[in-house]
Amino acid sequence: SAVISQKPSRDICQRGTSLTIQCQVDSQVTMMFWYRQQPGQSLTLIATANQGSEATYESGFVIDKFPISRPNLTFSTLTVSNMSPEDSSIYLCSYRGSSEAFFGQGTRLTVV
Amino acid sequence: GESVGLHLPTLSVQEGDNSIINCAYSNSASDYFIWYKQESGKGPQFIIDIRSNMDKRQGQRVTVLLNKTVKHLSLQIAATQPGDSAVYFCAENSGSSYKLIFGSGTRLLVRP
Repeated sequence: SAVISQKPSRDICQRGTSLTIQCQVDSQVTMMFWYRQQPGQSLTLIATANQGSEATYESGFVIDKFPISRPNLTFSTLTVSNMSPEDSSIYLCSYRGSSEAFFGQGTRLTVV
Repeated sequence: GESVGLHLPTLSVQEGDNSIINCAYSNSASDYFIWYKQESGKGPQFIIDIRSNMDKRQGQRVTVLLNKTVKHLSLQIAATQPGDSAVYFCAENSGSSYKLIFGSGTRLLVRP
């Protein structure tokens, strides 16, 4: 499996600001995924990021709030825009191997 | 330390005992299932998977059972160790989709 890394690993941000999370995979992957994990809860898929096209968002998530870039097959970014305390969560990037999905270590975001 | 499992159902077992973690899934079209382990401050880590043409699969100290009739999945951990303490998630996927949908999760605590 490819190594997947995210940065920052954590951040504390002021409400109304934006944070961009970076995800790097050490080999080329077709699809990358962004998940949100709210405190004490499971993972919820935000969107699927494909290289060369706009991301596909799940119900309840919109591009204006969570813009995603996928400039190449090894990298993606997720921006959390105009943050509020309700955005405090762990954000995880992921890719699918032949079967299972592999995850980064997550970005723990606290909005104050 | 940090925990993603503060509000999740908790299973407490004695070290050396066997653990059984259960998961109900909703999509009858799901044909691939995965168990993940998530330790504090880390992303989910693959444990074991099973396809819908099987009802049991064994790994090292772990067994996954699938009951498609009642849409139920279980993870059995033999001789539970302190290092098994984590949050466990099941995830499902249907062949027509590339997306993994996660269950609600269970926190496993191993008493010494």
